[in-house]
Amino acid sequence: DAEITQSPRHKITETGRQVTLACHQTWNHNNMFWYRQDLGHGLRLIHYSYGVQDTNKGEVSDGYSVSRSNTEDLPLTLESAASSQTSVYFCASSESDMDTQYFGPGTRLLVL
Amino acid sequence: DQQVKQNSPSLSVQEGRISILNCDYTNSMFDYFLWYKKYPAEGPTFLISISSIKDKNEDGRFTVFLNKSAKHLSLHIVPSQPGDSAVYFCAATRNQFYFGTGTSLTVIP
Repeated sequence: DAEITQSPRHKITETGRQVTLACHQTWNHNNMFWYRQDLGHGLRLIHYSYGVQDTNKGEVSDGYSVSRSNTEDLPLTLESAASSQTSVYFCASSESDMDTQYFGPGTRLLVL
Repeated sequence: DQQVKQNSPSLSVQEGRISILNCDYTNSMFDYFLWYKKYPAEGPTFLISISSIKDKNEDGRFTVFLNKSAKHLSLHIVPSQPGDSAVYFCAATRNQFYFGTGTSLTVIP
């Protein structure tokens, strides 16, 4: 069955370290998204991609970067982790712009 | 600047009764609306959607209503079941998805 996976599921890191969260989907979807979920804010879009080599900034992109070298993967990098980036991160994919997004199980990140 | 708002952080309902979850949006250009359900330690899962050209969409126990003039949508669950206890997010899209802050529904047996 097609699926979307995230790794690691839990991560503890220190302020200033670079961290990369992995997202892999086997739906063969063109569109992939990264969100963060925080209490009182719901899900906020960090970055998204509509295809290989395409990346776009979302609502809360500062301090994050993504790259899309193939259809299946969209890794999210925190260049220099900050305590404000402690959150739960969700990756999602969809076939097209208007299509339902399918979410991964999430990565819980703690920045100390 | 929250474009999609869910003003009720939580809701409790007796099993068998109707659950009504509400969502308001500010951007009249949104043309597609969705509801997602989220259990703890899992990613959100798609529940039901509605296009802006409709005012109602039904799927089993779940019905979504859209009032474009009021920029308001609601999700009705009838009858509510204990397994419906979860956080519900509404979302709206035109080119990007915008999510609300979520409503935690508890269905009491």
